Amino acid sequence: EIVLTQSPATLSLSPGERATLSCRASQSVSSHLAWYQQKPGQSPRLLIYDASNRATGIPARFSGSGSGTDFTLTISSLEPEDFALYYCQQNSNWPPLTFGGGTKVEIK
Amino acid sequence: EVQLLESGGGLVQPGGSLRLSCAASGFTFSSYAMTWVRQPPGKGLEWVSSISATGISTYYTDSVKGRFTISRDNSKNTLSLQMHSLRAEDTALYYCAKDRSLHVPATGTYDSWGQGTLVSVSS
Repeated sequence: EIVLTQSPATLSLSPGERATLSCRASQSVSSHLAWYQQKPGQSPRLLIYDASNRATGIPARFSGSGSGTDFTLTISSLEPEDFALYYCQQNSNWPPLTFGGGTKVEIK
Repeated sequence: EVQLLESGGGLVQPGGSLRLSCAASGFTFSSYAMTWVRQPPGKGLEWVSSISATGISTYYTDSVKGRFTISRDNSKNTLSLQMHSLRAEDTALYYCAKDRSLHVPATGTYDSWGQGTLVSVSS
C-alpha cells in the first residue's frame, strides 16, 4: 500500500498570501496524484488530477506540480474561501487508493 | 448537473448489517465507474470500494473484504453498498463519488461527490 504523507499538518496564512502544501508518497506514483479541498460540513471537491491538471471550474490560482514521490499544491494568492482542508490522493497501481492525512489551511 | 444522493445510514449494533444506496442523476450513470469513500468523525478520507461502469469489476480495501459488497443497477441509476458484520471502526460518513472519466480503465479520481450518509456502529 502506498502511504501519502502531507505536510505541514496546519498552515497559518493571511488572505493574499501564497500557500504551498506538500505530499510525499512512500513509493513512486508517477503523475497519478490528485488534490481535493474539503470545507467543514461539505464533501470533498476535486481540484487537481494527474498531478498538474486543474479540474473543471477550478480557479487558476490553484496549481499542482511534481512527479514520482514529491508533489506540491500551490495556491498563489489565498482567497477567504480557500481556508479549508486539503487532501492528496494517489491513483497509481490501485487498489487500494490511498489519501494523505490532510493539511489544514487556516487564517492567521 | 450531476447529483449523487446517499441514503441508508443509521445506528446499528456491532455485528449488524446496513445497505447504503446512492441515487445518481445528471449524467450517464452506466458510463462511469463509481466508488465509496468514508470519513470517520473528525478524521481523514478512506477509500472503501469501487466498481466499474459495467459492474463486472469490483475492488475493496482489505478491512472490508468479505463483509461489504458493492453493486450497481444501471437501469435504476443506483449504486449500493451492502455492509455486514459491522464493527465500531466502520463508523463514518460514507460518500459515493463518480469517476472523473468515462474511459476504461477507471481513473481512480473523483469529480463529483454526494453529501454522505452517516453510519454509526455502537451498542
